[in-house]
Amino acid sequence: DAGITQSPRYKITETGRQVTLMCHQTWSHSYMFWYRQDLGHGLRLIYYSAAADITDKGEVPDGYVVSRSKTENFPLTLESATRSQTSVYFCASSDSTGGNTEAFFGQGTRLTVV
Amino acid sequence: QKEVEQNSGPLSVPEGAIASLNCTYSDRGSQSFFWYRQYSGKSPELIMSIYSNGDKEDGRFTAQLNKASQYVSLLIRDSQPSDSATYLCAVNVNNNDMRFGAGTRLTVKP
Repeated sequence: DAGITQSPRYKITETGRQVTLMCHQTWSHSYMFWYRQDLGHGLRLIYYSAAADITDKGEVPDGYVVSRSKTENFPLTLESATRSQTSVYFCASSDSTGGNTEAFFGQGTRLTVV
Repeated sequence: QKEVEQNSGPLSVPEGAIASLNCTYSDRGSQSFFWYRQYSGKSPELIMSIYSNGDKEDGRFTAQLNKASQYVSLLIRDSQPSDSATYLCAVNVNNNDMRFGAGTRLTVKP
């Protein structure tokens, strides 16, 4: 299917476990982003990537790791999950130079850390 | 100070009225500004983008940008119950480092 898809849609994990959230886009967009959304904070940028093998930290990168070996995939890993990482995670992509185009969002992954 | 701030809301307007949503940003170098709509339990979707000072109209939506005041707003004319959602202001603060406000929840009452 064309577009941007995230998996899983829902995930429950235990404190201390490693968990990876997947993001796949079929547009060959150069830029990809990971956000978390919490009540009262809106969307906060965790990491972004301008191209394969290029990643940069956003506002709240601590506790997260990303990689981008292929243009279409941008997985987000929580190395040792904590309860404070319970959130809804959105992946987005844009085909942009200079930031003048919209970002398209995936459906989101609701992660609960118990 | 947050990089992007929105009036906290919630905002409630009657059907047919004008809804006014406001946003301020801190980075004077920002060049790109966006309004996203997010229905409950769904992902954000773009409704307006604006890059130059002034007004930009698209149907019932008008975005207004004032870079000197570091202010961007969204007006929704003839508000409909289907416009009830959370509206997110987004600002591109450093090339593709896009930052969002906390959002304003709008309710349009029939």
